[in-house]
Amino acid sequence: DTAVSQTPKYLVTQMGNDKSIKCEQNLGHDTMYWYKQDSKKFLKIMFSYNNKELIINETVPNRFSPKSPDKAHLNLHINSLELGDSAVYFCASSYRQGAETQYFGPGTRLLVL
Amino acid sequence: SQKIEQNSEALNIQEGKTATLTCNYTNYSPAYLQWYRQDPGRGPVFLLLIRENEKEKRKERLKVTFDTTLKQSLFHITASQPADSATYLCALGDNYGQNFVFGPGTRLSVLP
Repeated sequence: DTAVSQTPKYLVTQMGNDKSIKCEQNLGHDTMYWYKQDSKKFLKIMFSYNNKELIINETVPNRFSPKSPDKAHLNLHINSLELGDSAVYFCASSYRQGAETQYFGPGTRLLVL
Repeated sequence: SQKIEQNSEALNIQEGKTATLTCNYTNYSPAYLQWYRQDPGRGPVFLLLIRENEKEKRKERLKVTFDTTLKQSLFHITASQPADSATYLCALGDNYGQNFVFGPGTRLSVLP
């Protein structure tokens, strides 16, 4: 009955590889997000999608590409991984944009070697 | 540029006392402010939301105040328990969902 789920939970990979992280929410929410939490625990928004449309695209390298096949899914694809990409990536969803509670997934711990 | 600060990186408090965490912001006029709790190895969990026209919100042992003149929110946990130990994050947003920003968090430890 997990509300927001992410796979994989852990991802260890070599520099230069391409990887994807998947996110699914079963809450019927319209808006989904990707966040990056670095080693200093600072949580920063990367992307926001509303009904499969990109709303927010913060200053992230274009090696990061979100894809939303439907309202319940928002996947994150990362090309040419770099050491600095090592972090915990969280997916979240909310009923709609604006003043709404965000529900977070458990996170994907990415380690680039 | 927008800046959010939380009073300290870590706060230790004795069980039974009231914990008070502070969130200050600059260069922002938020429509609302939220508080989240994050346990190690887990995603943040929503606790409370307070809007710009509200002064105070309560939920069980939690109380949040919001002073848009001081650009500050205070988060109180009364009768604190060791189970309250976690990192607490404040977050600000506008009504369009375009400028949602988290603070750096305060790691609270409630000592038995």
